[in-house]
Amino acid sequence: NAGVMQNPRHLVRRRGQEARLRCSPMKGHSHVYWYRQLPEEGLKFMVYLQKENIIDESGMPKERFSAEFPKEGPSILRIQQVVRGDSAAYFCASSPPNRVYGYTFGSGTRLTVV
Amino acid sequence: AQTVTQSQPEMSVQEAETVTLSCTYDTSESDYYLFWYKQPPSRQMILVIRQEAYKQQNATENRFSVNFQKAAKSFSLKISDSQLGDAAMYFCAYRSAKTSYDKVIFGPGTSLSVIP
Repeated sequence: NAGVMQNPRHLVRRRGQEARLRCSPMKGHSHVYWYRQLPEEGLKFMVYLQKENIIDESGMPKERFSAEFPKEGPSILRIQQVVRGDSAAYFCASSPPNRVYGYTFGSGTRLTVV
Repeated sequence: AQTVTQSQPEMSVQEAETVTLSCTYDTSESDYYLFWYKQPPSRQMILVIRQEAYKQQNATENRFSVNFQKAAKSFSLKISDSQLGDAAMYFCAYRSAKTSYDKVIFGPGTSLSVIP
């Protein structure tokens, strides 16, 4: 049973480009969470999604950031017109329904904006 | 809003010795979960130990144990018989029991070095 798969592992983008980060949850997990880890900081909650629904996006920046979790395929975190301050590690975690703290984290995507 | 504080940015311990990492949190809730996560250089987030606030007994996982002081809102992690593989960032984290989903608040982390 594969764990949470995130790709790419490393992503380099120039300022103004778009970044697309992918997360495939564990088999049987229908809940996906995205976190951002800035250098020398802990993880900050961004968004919680279920299939085809955004449940809590209270940690998402108001502009340029969006997330989706379609019925088929991975969850996508999209950052448009990236800026240097977007450079960070982005983590995805998934959990099954109806279970308290069934988190499994992916290995993260390190985004570098040059 | 809940917050998690780790006042020790860096700690070091001699191999085979014991080290304690500190964590305090602020909440007005009575029911919640607390966690310690380990992040080695590989960046993978690994759950070390978990504590339910309604349980008075401190959680233990092999060489890892916690000292949970609910009234003081303190949740320290003790690592016994430290090994080189314990070197990592350690994050203390909080999850409210009010929400039906796992929205977790992380502290800023403590970097632990293990000296051979």
